[in-house]
Amino acid sequence: EILMTQSPTTLSVSPGERATLSCRASQSVSNNLAWYQQKAGQPPRLLIYDAFTRATGIPARFSGSGSGAEFTLTISSLQSEDSAVYFCQQYWNWPPRRTFGQGTRVEIK
Amino acid sequence: QVQLVESGGGLVKPGESLRLSCAASGFTFSDYFMSWIRQAPGKGLEWVAHISSVDDTIHYADSVRGRFTISRDNVKNSLFLQMNSLRAEDTAVYYCARTIKTYYFDYWGQGALVTVSS
Repeated sequence: EILMTQSPTTLSVSPGERATLSCRASQSVSNNLAWYQQKAGQPPRLLIYDAFTRATGIPARFSGSGSGAEFTLTISSLQSEDSAVYFCQQYWNWPPRRTFGQGTRVEIK
Repeated sequence: QVQLVESGGGLVKPGESLRLSCAASGFTFSDYFMSWIRQAPGKGLEWVAHISSVDDTIHYADSVRGRFTISRDNVKNSLFLQMNSLRAEDTAVYYCARTIKTYYFDYWGQGALVTVSS
């Protein structure tokens, strides 16, 4: 099983500042990585797939980067509505055993 | 617009069974893989199973293989999860999700809560 580790656990950022979230895989997953946003009481929403491609309707302030085993989600100018938990997920292995990171909670200072 | 609505959740005792359903609309259901993903209270996300558009490819997480069965009805635009021999650790919100190939999940339902407790 590919283990996904996210850091930090919690990130507190002021509105308008940049938020940088990290995700590390236990082995290379090439660019087969997605990011999701989950607000309280809601299902997750796809933000990024293939490591850096924004999903439909996702604002440009969200960007993904990285490849191999190290990935980053950046929120360039944090808005109040960005308060949420963010998960990464790999889709590299076969047979498929899709795994998620444990999540990073982003709080607004 | 894409809509996924789960139903069938509830409270059951250990060892009992439950069947979840997911009604899909707003897209051509038969064109897509579909998945179940669960989230224990206050915890992270765990992929459970997925099924190809024509039932010929099915995979399960090790934690549920042999106890859970995923299926679909492309005529009724519905996805199902038959859960047998339920355990306390199966307690979670179960989401159905449209799946791009076997890769990632681009639309999610609101979830159905399954509680396994004596």
